[in-house]
Amino acid sequence: GESVGLHLPTLSVQEGDNSIINCAYSNSASDYFIWYKQESGKGPQFIIDIRSNMDKRQGQRVTVLLNKTVKHLSLQIAATQPGDSAVYFCADAATITGNQFYFGTGTSLTVIP
Amino acid sequence: DTAVSQTPKYLVTQMGNDKSIKCEQNLGHDTMYWYKQDSKKFLKIMFSYNNKELIINETVPNRFSPKSPDKAHLNLHINSLELGDSAVYFCASSRGQGGNHSPLHFGNGTRLTVT
Repeated sequence: GESVGLHLPTLSVQEGDNSIINCAYSNSASDYFIWYKQESGKGPQFIIDIRSNMDKRQGQRVTVLLNKTVKHLSLQIAATQPGDSAVYFCADAATITGNQFYFGTGTSLTVIP
Repeated sequence: DTAVSQTPKYLVTQMGNDKSIKCEQNLGHDTMYWYKQDSKKFLKIMFSYNNKELIINETVPNRFSPKSPDKAHLNLHINSLELGDSAVYFCASSRGQGGNHSPLHFGNGTRLTVT
């Protein structure tokens, strides 16, 4: 079956530093990838997405990098703020299986003031 | 206005009972989902409906029955609740279906506790 995993379950960073959260996926047919942020007591919130025809995409303070060769995805958060503390999930989907997303296990990011 | 809303937020019930969770989305999306999040935060898809038709039905006990009266609503009914059903259940919706990928929009979850 599908597996999407994260290298580190927890990550602590100092406020103002950059954060990098990594994710590995196993389905070579996956062609769409999303990062979600989940705060305590809330549902996952969309952060940024990327399609397989790209290897980098930037948003506001966030950048997603995709390496299809090694099936690796990363989320970079610039100038991390206390409000960035949350659990971050990657998810992937393949056209051949429709809009069915498989989620990684999550990384808990803690920002130290 | 909440885009994807689900009720109740908390549900505490005893083993063997039957309960329902309701979900509504006002985004005009065609596809709706139910996900289960366990105590380790792992999110697993349970069902997906597109325009009231079942698309995805993962390996879920048949005690779980989704019902979609219209494309803006997807309710989840659970019969004969078991301790292992305790989890947070998330409803989600998306524009996409088939190869037309688009992000999922999640509700804030229903925390189900079975005692």
